[in-house]
Amino acid sequence: AQTVTQSQPEMSVQEAETVTLSCTYDTSESDYYLFWYKQPPSRQMILVIRQEAYKQQNATENRFSVNFQKAAKSFSLKISDSQLGDAAMYFCAYRTPQGGKLIFGQGTELSVKP
Amino acid sequence: SAVISQKPSRDICQRGTSLTIQCQVDSQVTMMFWYRQQPGQSLTLIATANQGSEATYESGFVIDKFPISRPNLTFSTLTVSNLSPEDSSIYLCSVADQPYGYTFGSGTRLTVV
Repeated sequence: AQTVTQSQPEMSVQEAETVTLSCTYDTSESDYYLFWYKQPPSRQMILVIRQEAYKQQNATENRFSVNFQKAAKSFSLKISDSQLGDAAMYFCAYRTPQGGKLIFGQGTELSVKP
Repeated sequence: SAVISQKPSRDICQRGTSLTIQCQVDSQVTMMFWYRQQPGQSLTLIATANQGSEATYESGFVIDKFPISRPNLTFSTLTVSNLSPEDSSIYLCSVADQPYGYTFGSGTRLTVV
């Protein structure tokens, strides 16, 4: 069965600095999708970034980028120029090729210090 | 992406009663998902609801406890039955509406007393 592991329960970053959140996953599939979701206190799940496994190029969305290492089954999120509004719980997720359901990691709570 | 209206946003229920949560989507979607998020925890999939067929439940979740309806391509309900304090959680619906992407409802915070 596929699993997703986030080994950092909490992270802290100074405003305007850069932080990297780690995620590893386990799968025997070769074609899949990976996601980072942000959940602020409002509970709303917000898609941050998405990566297709067949693409070698790392996805980038403004200040957010990923380091996708397929062989190592690693999918880290880098947030540049951190802002106070980035403070939230971040979840890494894996989409199963069959059925299309998402499997989430345990989450990393990010705090941003002014 | 789709817009989901999830209701209620929160509720406090007596043990032994039931709560029905509704999700209305502004476009037709094939797959809808229901998740549970226990306090301080990650999201766990309860079931996948496809229109016109029985919901598919994940291990540890049963239809008698979490009956789901999916009458059409824009609407679904999740009922949490015979409530106990252990059911106190956030419940979220989600749809697969983008190319391999997902949109979530705003969640229902359930407290069982």
